This record gives sequence, structure tokens and C-alpha cells, in this order.
Amino acid sequence: EPEVTQTPSHQVTQMGQEVILRCVPISNHLYFYWYRQILGQKVEFLVSFYNNEISEKSEIFDDQFSVERPDGSNFTLKIRSTKLEDSAMYFCASKGGGNSPLHFGNGTRLTVT
Amino acid sequence: GESVGLHLPTLSVQEGDNSIINCAYSNSASDYFIWYKQESGKGPQFIIDIRSNMDKRQGQRVTVLLNKTVKHLSLQIAATQPGDSAVYFCAENMGLGGATNKLIFGTGTLLAVQP
Repeated sequence: EPEVTQTPSHQVTQMGQEVILRCVPISNHLYFYWYRQILGQKVEFLVSFYNNEISEKSEIFDDQFSVERPDGSNFTLKIRSTKLEDSAMYFCASKGGGNSPLHFGNGTRLTVT
Repeated sequence: GESVGLHLPTLSVQEGDNSIINCAYSNSASDYFIWYKQESGKGPQFIIDIRSNMDKRQGQRVTVLLNKTVKHLSLQIAATQPGDSAVYFCAENMGLGGATNKLIFGTGTLLAVQP
């Protein structure tokens, strides 16, 4: 069964550094998302992306965050200057057209020290 | 603001029993609801979904019930197995149009299946 893949599985970075989290969505999907989950808390929406542009974003997704689909297969989340509170699991998800559910990857655990 | 929430943070059941996990939502405009299962160290895994024009939907060993009158959603798991142990999240669609742009997740219920 096709799946969303994310790399790396764990990323450790120092505060103030830039990180790029990578995702390969399911190949025929059209909609792409990033969510995050702080340890012990619920999954929170960050951003949705369709037709090469952001379709919606949350208040968490400030100017430090950006997304890009540089080619036909990858979807990335960049955090320009990481803060301690950015430490979380970051999940990529994708969705096909019509009435279909989101499929999530297994996440990247980001640890900011 | 409006949000999705769960009544029971932890549910412990015996193997073979049926499980019922509940969820309350407060946005009457939400038209699409999903149940996800999350095992330790993994991402949310789709279980079953339901649209607001339905009251019930069945899958393999799982049934989702939607009561729009009281804004309540439930997930029933028949003959619960140890492999069902996980955190279960309900989520509602609060996005634009029908593209499931923005899912709002509840806080999760931990299902613990005792052998």
C-alpha cells in the first residue's frame, strides 16, 4: 500500500539554526499538509498546500516557517530560526482528490537544544 | 473557540470485548469527521470516516456513529484485540470547501486492551 515517507526520523538542532524536514507524499495525491504534535498533546494543523501554493495556514505557521514542493515528489517544511518550543513531532500528510482522507507519514521528531 | 474534544482520556477493556470511544464536537458547520489510530512512534493511521449526511458507517470490526443533534461522534471496535491498543483521535474538517484542508484533532483516548 502506498505511504507517505518522511526523513529524517529524528533531527537534533541548536536554537537559531535552520532545519528542513522532508516528505515524499503518496504519488498521485494532490493536497499536502504539515501537522505537528508536541509531546503528550494533540495533533495541530500547520499548513495545507495545493496547486503549488498555500491554501490555509494556522497561527502557528508564522514567518519562520515555509513550505515548498521543489519537484514532483518532495514536499518540505523549513524552519528558518528554530526555537526551543519548536521541539515536536512533525507529520506530513497527503490526500487525493474528492472525498478521501488524509494519510500521514510516521513523522520527524525535531529536538531543539 | 470551537474545538473537538474527547470524554474519556483512558479506556481499558478486556480482549474480546467491544470498545466504544466517544468524541464531542462543537462546530455545527463541520461536515466531515475521521477517526485515527496512533501507535507509539508512528503517525496517525486512518481508520474510518463519515460525512455529516450519514448517521452510521461500518468498516471491518469498526463502526462510526454520528449524532448531529448532540454533536457526538463515537467509534465502536468489535472484539477488541491487543493490537488495537493505541491512542485514538477523532478529527473534524474545518477547512475551506470540500478539500479537507484543515483537520482539528481531539485530545485523544488511550485504549488499553488487557489480555
